Amino acid sequence: KQEVTQIPAALSVPEGENLVLNCSFTDSAIYNLQWFRQDPGKGLTSLLLIQSSQREQTSGRLNASLDKSSGRSTLYIAASQPGDSATYLCAVSPSGGSYIPTFGRGTSLIVHP
Amino acid sequence: NAGVMQNPRHLVRRRGQEARLRCSPMKGHSHVYWYRQLPEEGLKFMVYLQKENIIDESGMPKERFSAEFPKEGPSILRIQQVVRGDSAAYFCASSPGLAETQYFGPGTRLLVL
Repeated sequence: KQEVTQIPAALSVPEGENLVLNCSFTDSAIYNLQWFRQDPGKGLTSLLLIQSSQREQTSGRLNASLDKSSGRSTLYIAASQPGDSATYLCAVSPSGGSYIPTFGRGTSLIVHP
Repeated sequence: NAGVMQNPRHLVRRRGQEARLRCSPMKGHSHVYWYRQLPEEGLKFMVYLQKENIIDESGMPKERFSAEFPKEGPSILRIQQVVRGDSAAYFCASSPGLAETQYFGPGTRLLVL
Protein backbone atom coordinates (compact mmCIF):
# COMPACT_ATOMS: atom_id res chain seq x y z
CA LYS A 1 0.00 0.00 0.00
CA GLN A 2 1.38 3.35 -1.03
CA GLU A 3 2.16 5.82 1.75
CA VAL A 4 2.89 9.47 1.05
CA THR A 5 4.59 11.66 3.64
CA GLN A 6 5.08 15.40 3.45
CA ILE A 7 7.62 17.31 5.48
CA PRO A 8 7.38 19.78 7.07
CA ALA A 9 3.74 19.74 8.16
CA ALA A 10 3.78 23.49 8.59
CA LEU A 11 6.08 26.29 7.56
CA SER A 12 6.11 30.02 8.28
CA VAL A 13 8.57 32.26 6.45
CA PRO A 14 9.09 35.91 5.65
CA GLU A 15 8.32 37.15 2.19
CA GLY A 16 11.09 36.71 -0.37
CA GLU A 17 12.53 33.45 0.88
CA ASN A 18 13.13 30.47 -1.37
CA LEU A 19 11.33 27.38 -0.08
CA VAL A 20 11.61 23.62 -0.44
CA LEU A 21 8.67 21.36 0.35
CA ASN A 22 9.32 17.63 0.54
CA CYS A 23 7.25 14.62 -0.43
CA SER A 24 8.27 10.99 -0.01
CA PHE A 25 6.50 7.83 -1.10
CA THR A 26 7.05 4.18 -0.28
CA ASP A 27 6.23 2.44 -3.59
CA SER A 28 8.31 3.57 -6.55
CA ALA A 29 5.99 1.92 -9.13
CA ILE A 30 4.27 5.18 -9.95
CA TYR A 31 2.62 6.57 -13.05
CA ASN A 32 2.88 10.23 -12.12
CA LEU A 33 3.20 12.62 -9.21
CA GLN A 34 1.23 15.80 -8.85
CA TRP A 35 1.49 18.86 -6.63
CA PHE A 36 -1.68 20.70 -5.65
CA ARG A 37 -2.47 23.87 -3.79
CA GLN A 38 -5.46 24.13 -1.45
CA ASP A 39 -6.66 27.44 -0.06
CA PRO A 40 -8.76 27.44 3.15
CA GLY A 41 -12.32 26.35 2.47
CA LYS A 42 -11.59 25.76 -1.21
CA GLY A 43 -10.89 22.89 -3.55
CA LEU A 44 -7.56 21.78 -4.95
CA THR A 45 -5.74 23.49 -7.77
CA SER A 46 -3.22 21.50 -9.78
CA LEU A 47 0.22 23.16 -9.86
CA LEU A 48 2.55 20.69 -11.54
CA LEU A 49 2.31 17.12 -12.82
CA ILE A 50 5.43 15.02 -13.35
CA GLN A 51 5.22 11.80 -15.33
CA SER A 52 7.28 8.88 -14.02
CA SER A 53 9.73 9.23 -16.93
CA GLN A 54 10.40 12.90 -16.16
CA ARG A 55 12.80 14.42 -13.65
CA GLU A 56 11.26 17.86 -13.18
CA GLN A 57 8.62 20.33 -14.22
CA THR A 58 8.61 24.12 -13.98
CA SER A 59 5.88 26.71 -13.95
CA GLY A 60 6.77 30.30 -13.16
CA ARG A 61 8.33 30.45 -9.69
CA LEU A 62 7.56 26.79 -9.05
CA ASN A 63 9.83 23.87 -9.82
CA ALA A 64 9.05 20.26 -8.93
CA SER A 65 11.58 17.45 -9.12
CA LEU A 66 11.09 13.70 -9.01
CA ASP A 67 13.53 10.99 -7.98
CA LYS A 68 11.48 7.85 -8.46
CA SER A 69 14.15 5.40 -7.34
CA SER A 70 14.53 7.07 -3.94
CA GLY A 71 10.81 7.80 -3.62
CA ARG A 72 11.17 11.56 -3.30
CA SER A 73 9.83 14.73 -4.82
CA THR A 74 10.50 18.33 -3.91
CA LEU A 75 8.54 21.47 -4.69
CA TYR A 76 10.73 24.54 -4.89
CA ILE A 77 9.09 27.96 -4.55
CA ALA A 78 11.29 30.89 -5.49
CA ALA A 79 10.93 34.35 -4.01
CA SER A 80 7.89 33.50 -1.90
CA GLN A 81 5.00 35.96 -1.64
CA PRO A 82 2.11 36.30 0.85
CA GLY A 83 -0.21 35.06 -1.90
CA ASP A 84 1.62 31.74 -1.81
CA SER A 85 0.14 31.05 1.63
CA ALA A 86 -1.88 27.84 1.32
CA THR A 87 -1.64 24.11 1.93
CA TYR A 88 0.43 22.21 -0.62
CA LEU A 89 -0.49 18.60 -1.31
CA CYS A 90 1.51 15.92 -3.03
CA ALA A 91 -0.36 13.07 -4.78
CA VAL A 92 1.14 9.90 -6.25
CA SER A 93 -0.68 7.76 -8.83
CA PRO A 94 0.30 4.12 -9.20
CA SER A 95 1.20 2.54 -12.51
CA GLY A 96 -1.63 0.24 -13.54
CA GLY A 97 -5.04 -0.38 -12.07
CA SER A 98 -7.32 2.63 -11.93
CA TYR A 99 -4.44 5.09 -11.31
CA ILE A 100 -6.13 6.45 -8.21
CA PRO A 101 -3.77 8.91 -6.47
CA THR A 102 -2.69 8.67 -2.85
CA PHE A 103 -2.40 12.05 -1.18
CA GLY A 104 -0.06 13.26 1.51
CA ARG A 105 -1.41 15.29 4.42
CA GLY A 106 0.09 18.46 3.04
CA THR A 107 2.40 21.26 4.11
CA SER A 108 0.65 24.33 5.48
CA LEU A 109 2.61 27.37 4.33
CA ILE A 110 2.34 30.91 5.67
CA VAL A 111 4.35 33.66 4.00
CA HIS A 112 4.23 36.83 6.05
CA PRO A 113 5.01 40.30 4.71
CA ASN B 1 -15.64 26.15 -19.94
CA ALA B 2 -16.99 26.01 -16.43
CA GLY B 3 -15.00 24.06 -13.89
CA VAL B 4 -16.20 21.18 -11.76
CA MET B 5 -19.32 22.22 -9.91
CA GLN B 6 -20.51 20.85 -6.60
CA ASN B 7 -23.65 21.59 -4.69
CA PRO B 8 -24.57 22.30 -2.11
CA ARG B 9 -21.42 23.98 -0.84
CA HIS B 10 -22.55 23.52 2.74
CA LEU B 11 -24.97 20.94 4.08
CA VAL B 12 -26.24 20.48 7.63
CA ARG B 13 -27.99 17.28 8.59
CA ARG B 14 -29.17 15.74 11.83
CA ARG B 15 -28.13 12.23 12.76
CA GLY B 16 -30.17 9.66 10.89
CA GLN B 17 -31.03 11.89 7.94
CA GLU B 18 -29.85 11.40 4.38
CA ALA B 19 -27.26 13.55 2.62
CA ARG B 20 -27.11 13.91 -1.17
CA LEU B 21 -24.07 15.57 -2.69
CA ARG B 22 -24.01 16.49 -6.36
CA CYS B 23 -21.12 16.90 -8.77
CA SER B 24 -21.17 18.16 -12.35
CA PRO B 25 -17.88 17.39 -14.11
CA MET B 26 -16.16 19.70 -16.53
CA LYS B 27 -17.56 19.65 -20.03
CA GLY B 28 -16.13 16.74 -21.97
CA HIS B 29 -15.03 14.84 -18.87
CA SER B 30 -16.48 11.39 -18.41
CA HIS B 31 -14.45 10.29 -15.38
CA VAL B 32 -15.54 11.35 -11.89
CA TYR B 33 -13.83 10.77 -8.55
CA TRP B 34 -15.09 11.38 -5.02
CA TYR B 35 -12.78 12.10 -2.09
CA ARG B 36 -13.33 12.81 1.60
CA GLN B 37 -11.20 15.12 3.70
CA LEU B 38 -11.54 14.82 7.45
CA PRO B 39 -10.21 17.50 9.79
CA GLU B 40 -6.45 17.14 10.25
CA GLU B 41 -6.30 14.29 7.76
CA GLY B 42 -5.36 13.98 4.14
CA LEU B 43 -7.62 13.54 1.18
CA LYS B 44 -8.93 9.98 0.98
CA PHE B 45 -10.23 8.38 -2.20
CA MET B 46 -13.76 7.01 -2.05
CA VAL B 47 -15.04 6.04 -5.50
CA TYR B 48 -14.25 6.37 -9.20
CA LEU B 49 -17.04 6.36 -11.78
CA GLN B 50 -17.56 6.67 -15.48
CA LYS B 51 -20.92 7.26 -17.06
CA GLU B 52 -23.32 4.64 -15.65
CA ASN B 53 -20.47 2.53 -14.24
CA ILE B 54 -18.61 2.27 -10.95
CA ILE B 55 -14.99 1.54 -11.81
CA ASP B 56 -13.36 1.47 -8.39
CA GLU B 57 -15.16 1.76 -5.06
CA SER B 58 -12.36 0.46 -2.88
CA GLY B 59 -12.47 3.56 -0.67
CA MET B 60 -16.20 3.55 -0.01
CA PRO B 61 -17.51 2.47 3.39
CA LYS B 62 -19.44 -0.76 2.99
CA GLU B 63 -22.63 0.55 4.51
CA ARG B 64 -24.73 3.71 4.11
CA PHE B 65 -22.65 5.16 1.26
CA SER B 66 -23.46 4.89 -2.44
CA ALA B 67 -22.56 6.74 -5.61
CA GLU B 68 -23.88 6.97 -9.12
CA PHE B 69 -23.09 8.78 -12.35
CA PRO B 70 -26.12 8.48 -14.61
CA LYS B 71 -26.13 8.90 -18.35
CA GLU B 72 -27.75 12.29 -17.92
CA GLY B 73 -27.19 14.64 -15.02
CA PRO B 74 -24.64 15.01 -12.26
CA SER B 75 -22.88 12.39 -10.21
CA ILE B 76 -24.49 11.83 -6.82
CA LEU B 77 -22.84 10.73 -3.58
CA ARG B 78 -25.50 9.55 -1.18
CA ILE B 79 -25.03 9.00 2.54
CA GLN B 80 -27.89 7.35 4.36
CA GLN B 81 -28.53 7.63 8.11
CA VAL B 82 -25.70 10.07 8.65
CA VAL B 83 -23.65 9.98 11.84
CA ARG B 84 -21.43 12.66 13.37
CA GLY B 85 -18.33 10.92 12.01
CA ASP B 86 -19.54 11.64 8.47
CA SER B 87 -18.87 15.35 9.03
CA ALA B 88 -16.16 16.23 6.53
CA ALA B 89 -15.44 18.02 3.27
CA TYR B 90 -16.36 15.93 0.24
CA PHE B 91 -14.58 16.74 -2.98
CA CYS B 92 -15.38 15.70 -6.48
CA ALA B 93 -12.85 15.69 -9.32
CA SER B 94 -13.18 14.97 -13.01
CA SER B 95 -10.81 14.07 -15.81
CA PRO B 96 -11.15 13.59 -19.55
CA GLY B 97 -9.61 10.14 -19.44
CA LEU B 98 -7.93 7.50 -17.33
CA ALA B 99 -4.80 8.67 -15.48
CA GLU B 100 -5.13 12.22 -16.77
CA THR B 101 -5.01 15.35 -14.63
CA GLN B 102 -7.93 15.59 -12.24
CA TYR B 103 -9.72 18.90 -11.82
CA PHE B 104 -11.31 19.45 -8.44
CA GLY B 105 -14.55 21.09 -7.45
CA PRO B 106 -14.85 23.46 -4.47
CA GLY B 107 -16.21 20.73 -2.22
CA THR B 108 -19.28 20.20 -0.08
CA ARG B 109 -18.84 20.71 3.65
CA LEU B 110 -21.14 18.33 5.49
CA LEU B 111 -21.92 18.94 9.13
CA VAL B 112 -23.89 16.34 11.05
CA LEU B 113 -25.48 17.59 14.25
